[in-house]
Amino acid sequence: DIQMTQSPSSLSASVGDRVTITCRASQDIRIDLGWYQQKPGKAPERLIYAASSLQSGVPSRFSGSGSGTEFTLTISSLQPEDFATYYCLQHDVYPFTFGGGTKVEIK
Amino acid sequence: EVQLVGSGGGLVQPGGSLRLSCAASGFTFTSYWMHWVRQAPGKGLVWLSRISNNGRNTIYADSVRGRFTISRDNAKNTVYLQMNNLRADDTAIYYCARAISGSSMDVWGQGTTVTVSS
Repeated sequence: DIQMTQSPSSLSASVGDRVTITCRASQDIRIDLGWYQQKPGKAPERLIYAASSLQSGVPSRFSGSGSGTEFTLTISSLQPEDFATYYCLQHDVYPFTFGGGTKVEIK
Repeated sequence: EVQLVGSGGGLVQPGGSLRLSCAASGFTFTSYWMHWVRQAPGKGLVWLSRISNNGRNTIYADSVRGRFTISRDNAKNTVYLQMNNLRADDTAIYYCARAISGSSMDVWGQGTTVTVSS
């Protein structure tokens, strides 16, 4: 199985901060990666697909980059509604695998 | 409105069975592959299974292969997850989600809770 190593597992940040979350794949997954946001008690919502394409309706402060084994989700200016847990997902090879999650908390 | 509505969760004893359903609306169901993902209490997301748009191709995670069966009824716009021989570590919220072949899941159901306990 492909291992997705996500870092950090948690971070504290202030409104307006730039936040970067990284996922590293244990093998080349091309650009077959999505990023999800999950708020407590809610289903995940896709933010980014194909590593860098912004999901329709998602604010432009979210961006994704990378290919192969290294991927990054960036929030350019953290907003109050962005405090949540973020997951990466590789869908290049079955079984699909998620990163362990990054909980973004208020500093 | 595009929507996936899960149902069928509940409390079941170890070794028991449960069938989850996920009803789709607002989109062409037969254009999408369907997935099941679960999340144990306080834990991360775990992919479980996928079924192709015509129902002919299925695949499972090792943790559920042989115990869980994914199926779909395209006439009813519904995907199912039959869960047998349930164990305590199957306790989780179960989400259905749709995906275009080759892409990640873009729309998720609200989740249905399964608790395995005596």
